[in-house]
Amino acid sequence: GAVVSQHPSRVICKSGTSVKIECRSLDFQATTMFWYRQFPKQSLMLMATSNEGSKATYEQGVEKDKFLINHASLTLSTLTVTSAHPEDSSFYICSARDSLATGELFFGEGSRLTVL
Amino acid sequence: AQSVAQPEDQVNVAEGNPLTVKCTYSVSGNPYLFWYVQYPNRGLQFLLKYITGDNLVKGSYGFEAEFNKSQTSFHLKKPSALVSDSALYFCAVRDTGGGNKLTFGTGTQLKVEL
Repeated sequence: GAVVSQHPSRVICKSGTSVKIECRSLDFQATTMFWYRQFPKQSLMLMATSNEGSKATYEQGVEKDKFLINHASLTLSTLTVTSAHPEDSSFYICSARDSLATGELFFGEGSRLTVL
Repeated sequence: AQSVAQPEDQVNVAEGNPLTVKCTYSVSGNPYLFWYVQYPNRGLQFLLKYITGDNLVKGSYGFEAEFNKSQTSFHLKKPSALVSDSALYFCAVRDTGGGNKLTFGTGTQLKVEL
């Protein structure tokens, strides 16, 4: 099956710094990628839809200036958590939809962010 | 708006016994339905999907799910559970009426014991 690579898998940073998480589709092109946030023992919350070559679409309540999304190519989307604070600590998961397929999403392994 | 309900936070079953993880959905149009499994600190792995056709869908690792339109349900089943099936299971729905958003249920923790 298709592979989505997410990096880094774990990151610890100091409060006030920015952290970038990469999401790559390794063997397919993805015009659309999705970024989710998952709190402990909770479901995935869709943060934003990343569209290649255009601005991301953010869900209600998600600060676009806080969570910067860039989708510069058909295989890469990045999420930058700016001026991170402890409440931003979470598990972030990306997913990508194969441009030539319908329905199924492929998920990355997730990135555990801990802000001290 | 579309939604998914997983009424059970946790399901416990003995190894070798059949298991069922429940899911009901609500969409305005025809649904695309999915099951995913998540192991600790990992991303989601696709198990199976229903798009159209046969109501009984077979997926990975011996799992299957039955689409029931009248009951708006898509329960996940396996005839004989394994300890290695212990994980967090998510049901998800995508409304074919428009948009690409996948809405997830709250997840059900499956625990299979010897």
